[in-house]
Amino acid sequence: KNEVEQSPQNLTAQEGEFITINCSYSVGISALHWLQQHPGGGIVSLFMLSSGKKKHGRLIATINIQEKHSSLHITASHPRDSAVYICAVSDNTDKLIFGTGTRLQVFP
Amino acid sequence: EPEVTQTPSHQVTQMGQEVILRCVPISNHLYFYWYRQILGQKVEFLVSFYNNEISEKSEIFDDQFSVERPDGSNFTLKIRSTKLEDSAMYFCASSAERVGTQYFGPGTRLLVL
Repeated sequence: KNEVEQSPQNLTAQEGEFITINCSYSVGISALHWLQQHPGGGIVSLFMLSSGKKKHGRLIATINIQEKHSSLHITASHPRDSAVYICAVSDNTDKLIFGTGTRLQVFP
Repeated sequence: EPEVTQTPSHQVTQMGQEVILRCVPISNHLYFYWYRQILGQKVEFLVSFYNNEISEKSEIFDDQFSVERPDGSNFTLKIRSTKLEDSAMYFCASSAERVGTQYFGPGTRLLVL
């Protein structure tokens, strides 16, 4: 059974700061997903990756398969980035196994 | 842009009552999922559905739960006899590929009294 751990659990930042959220998992995966959950509850997929690095706007996601570790970076953070960021993995099936999330607050 | 929709957005029910949560996945997607999130906890997988049958279900998905795709567009989750512990946000998701990006609906917040 895959265990997905995220750190930190809570993160506060000043606008403009560079942010890193970490995710580690315990067994091999077919893909890792980063998702964003806003206070209203809705979940939006940010990235799906199985190797290397992906970039979308100010967001960058990396994965190291050997170390079973992924990071989500936010450059030039903004108050609108405030949300819960969730790491989830697909192991040998297509269901997602979720981490507990990292609550990010960015202050102006 | 296509999106997954869910109805109702909120539902309050009495313990022991049946509820049906409805989802309309993105139209060309083939893989469908239900997840739930109890308040303050992480999102948990309930069931996956492909080709008109359940692909996988979790331990949570016991005999009180069932899923159906009655008309080729809707995807429903039925809870036959609700318990207090079924109170949660229920998310539907769909994907075009077996291991692909999953697109989530806005959720149905279920409260069992």
